[in-house]
Amino acid sequence: GAVVSQHPSRVICKSGTSVKIECRSLDFQATTMFWYRQFPKQSLMLMATSNEGSKATYEQGVEKDKFLINHASLTLSTLTVTSAHPEDSSFYICSASPGQGGNYEQYFGPGTRLTVT
Amino acid sequence: GENVEQHPSTLSVQEGDSAVIKCTYSDSASNYFPWYKQELGKRPQLIIDIRSNVGEKKDQRIAVTLNKTAKHFSLHITETQPEDSAVYFCAPRNKGSARQLTFGSGTQLTVLP
Repeated sequence: GAVVSQHPSRVICKSGTSVKIECRSLDFQATTMFWYRQFPKQSLMLMATSNEGSKATYEQGVEKDKFLINHASLTLSTLTVTSAHPEDSSFYICSASPGQGGNYEQYFGPGTRLTVT
Repeated sequence: GENVEQHPSTLSVQEGDSAVIKCTYSDSASNYFPWYKQELGKRPQLIIDIRSNVGEKKDQRIAVTLNKTAKHFSLHITETQPEDSAVYFCAPRNKGSARQLTFGSGTQLTVLP
């Protein structure tokens, strides 16, 4: 149980274009979803926290107009990188948490490798 | 916010030896202390966790110890095997409504055969 998927697993896009990444909880409802970015040989950095039906809360230094997060249902959150640039190339990982019944564990997706050329 | 320091950043051990990684945190309100293992290009995997009302927890070759007074917790791996080679992260969690994890900088563990 507690499976989280991400799509796509890899994406290459041209500078200036937008790319959407989906995060789905397959066998549970996720009250809260988190988006992380991980550069090579670095740690996971939290970008934003989103609750179903609410606007996402972004971490300091993360541009909310560039990284659009939508959490429209209890099983789906999307991250759209708008006007992507080479410096946005990174490994993006989502996690989903039931956030209820005392279960606040985060279940991680497999990640999306974004390369901007 | 939470400040997390993890040491060492790299650790090489001979197969069969033990490995210890330490994590220091700043937020005294943190109440959940997990350790994650991440292989290259993969998602982090929860390997062991401990809650603030417990001092030590063990699961086969892996153990975690917590010192809430000193605000640090450690991962202990005994009888290391080559498949233990990976990056390990601590990620204390706050009690706030968001229940966010703050990841440490990571430790690259290499087990030499």
